[in-house]
Amino acid sequence: KAGVTQTPRYLIKTRGQQVTLSCSPISGHRSVSWYQQTPGQGLQFLFEYFSETQRNKGNFPGRFSGRQFSNSRSEMNVSTLELGDSALYLCASSVTGGGYGYTFGSGTRLTVV
Amino acid sequence: GENVEQHPSTLSVQEGDSAVIKCTYSDSASNYFPWYKQELGKRPQLIIDIRSNVGEKKDQRIAVTLNKTAKHFSLHITETQPEDSAVYFCAASNGNEKLTFGTGTRLTIIP
Repeated sequence: KAGVTQTPRYLIKTRGQQVTLSCSPISGHRSVSWYQQTPGQGLQFLFEYFSETQRNKGNFPGRFSGRQFSNSRSEMNVSTLELGDSALYLCASSVTGGGYGYTFGSGTRLTVV
Repeated sequence: GENVEQHPSTLSVQEGDSAVIKCTYSDSASNYFPWYKQELGKRPQLIIDIRSNVGEKKDQRIAVTLNKTAKHFSLHITETQPEDSAVYFCAASNGNEKLTFGTGTRLTIIP
């Protein structure tokens, strides 16, 4: 079966711009979680969506937002980009969420210049 | 919230020897402890997990042990091979909230 698909794979944006990342989960998975991965901070939780509702949220500023559609696909948006937002953004899908059985996508590498 | 500490941050092991990575967690409500392997430039992949009602789980050369009293769990890799070289992450969850990750261990297998 198809895995978790993230698009685009790479992005270069300028400070102040906004960006939207997409994540298509494994068929049948209703939970999508987003993580930011940086060399210094490891994997930091952004938010989790389950059946179109945000179920959990991490400690990121309001510039980071997300949503989930009825087909379970999820998008993450970052507004007013800062240099420090440069990172690998990973999404993970699972059947039930709550940390169980995550399958990760290959990520979107965002570079802010 | 949950806090997961992982040690060591780097580990070099001779091929064929064993490797052990240790993690501690803070939330006594955590009941699920997965381990992920991330090769360079690739996505994290689940390699083994354990739930709080089990003390040990094995899958071929990989094993995980859990000590609930001490809030401590470990990954053991035996007969290490070059393809075991990667970054390994431990994680913990109580099933209702996020999966909290450790900071990772870079494992290098020396041929």
